[in-house]
Amino acid sequence: QVTLKESGPVLVKPTETLTLTCTVSGFLLRNGRMGVSWIRQPPGKALEWLAHIFSNDEKYYSTSLKSRLTISKDTSKSQVVLTMTNMDPVDTATYYCARLGNDVLHWFDPWGRGTLVTVSS
Amino acid sequence: YVLGQPPSVSVAPGQTAKITCGGENIGSESVHWYQQKPGQAPVLVVYADSARPSGIPERFSGSNSGSTATLTISRVEAGDEADYYCQVWHSSSAHYVFGGGTKVTVL
Repeated sequence: QVTLKESGPVLVKPTETLTLTCTVSGFLLRNGRMGVSWIRQPPGKALEWLAHIFSNDEKYYSTSLKSRLTISKDTSKSQVVLTMTNMDPVDTATYYCARLGNDVLHWFDPWGRGTLVTVSS
Repeated sequence: YVLGQPPSVSVAPGQTAKITCGGENIGSESVHWYQQKPGQAPVLVVYADSARPSGIPERFSGSNSGSTATLTISRVEAGDEADYYCQVWHSSSAHYVFGGGTKVTVL
């Protein structure tokens, strides 16, 4: 069974750096063209894709947030890590990680349960 | 690349709900649909335009042509009330793109 679980701080202060960890099980991050994305959702708003990393370490970032994001993976720990610098209250959101279900047609399945991050002083 | 969805769709139980997802030449892309119930993570309900993952009822179907992709929910049930998002991989920009979401209300 494939599962993903997000972890990280519940509350961060403005200007701080956020570090989130996605721990996966049921698949290996080093296999084939598997990949994991980070996606966020502000309260009451739509989903927003942030960043993606493939098993070969190929990385993609949202253009609007690229300067603030870094995605990486630790294959030995089955973890994908996202850092976001210079946090602002508008970054308050539930952050999800999701596995790429297919590397040709690019759908996400499954998703983690998400972790709510609040940015406030 | 932008995907446009209607903010809301209302449907009576037993009727058919159609949720559209518009984008430039979206018919040449592979479109995927997710259902998100309040307080829960999104769940894949249709992938590759019209395929259903294991466990998703046959009442959920999809189509994609020209500038519009459509998710159709037949014989709508109260449990189908949720937000629905379309998604594509836009290869030319190397971006995953989500639509703005459609809230389906069962009357």
